[in-house]
Amino acid sequence: SQKIEQNSEALNIQEGKTATLTCNYTNYSPAYLQWYRQDPGRGPVFLLLIRENEKEKRKERLKVTFDTTLKQSLFHITASQPADSATYLCALEGTNAGKSTFGDGTTLTVKP
Amino acid sequence: NAGVTQTPKFQVLKTGQSMTLQCAQDMNHEYMSWYRQDPGMGLRLIHYSVGAGITDQGEVPNGYNVSRSTTEDFPLRLLSAAPSQTSVYFCASKRTVQETQYFGPGTRLLVL
Repeated sequence: SQKIEQNSEALNIQEGKTATLTCNYTNYSPAYLQWYRQDPGRGPVFLLLIRENEKEKRKERLKVTFDTTLKQSLFHITASQPADSATYLCALEGTNAGKSTFGDGTTLTVKP
Repeated sequence: NAGVTQTPKFQVLKTGQSMTLQCAQDMNHEYMSWYRQDPGMGLRLIHYSVGAGITDQGEVPNGYNVSRSTTEDFPLRLLSAAPSQTSVYFCASKRTVQETQYFGPGTRLLVL
């Protein structure tokens, strides 16, 4: 069965450092992968999308990589700030299914 | 645009009761989905729709029904509530495949 694993439930880092979150998947051939941010009591908010033929995407302090050989995506937040503290979810989708499969998320805490 | 709206925000049910969770979007999106999120976990797909009149099952469909009579609305019906259905329910929509999903604020359901 399809399985998505995000590296750890919680990640604590110091302000100004780079946070790196991992998303691994098995038994899946996704057409693209998305990262979302979720704050407590709120719905997920889209951050970045990367397609299977793309290696890297950037948006301001965010960077996503996608390695279909390793079946892994890395999500980086550079110069992290306490305001970046949240749960980050990765989601995979196939070519035409129209449905997404989510990982369990990693809760990032950035300490001042 | 209001985006994706969900009602109610919070609901308490007794075992065996039925209810409908409402979801509406005003972005003319074809794709709509219902997810549930249990504490400390990611989102699991219940049902989804790729257009008016078309619905399909997701990962955890048992105990839930959906219909899509219009592009705007995608209600989720709990047929006979069980304590295992205590969760937070999110509705999401997107224009088409390989595009961003927009999530509603969620409905918190407690089944006693």
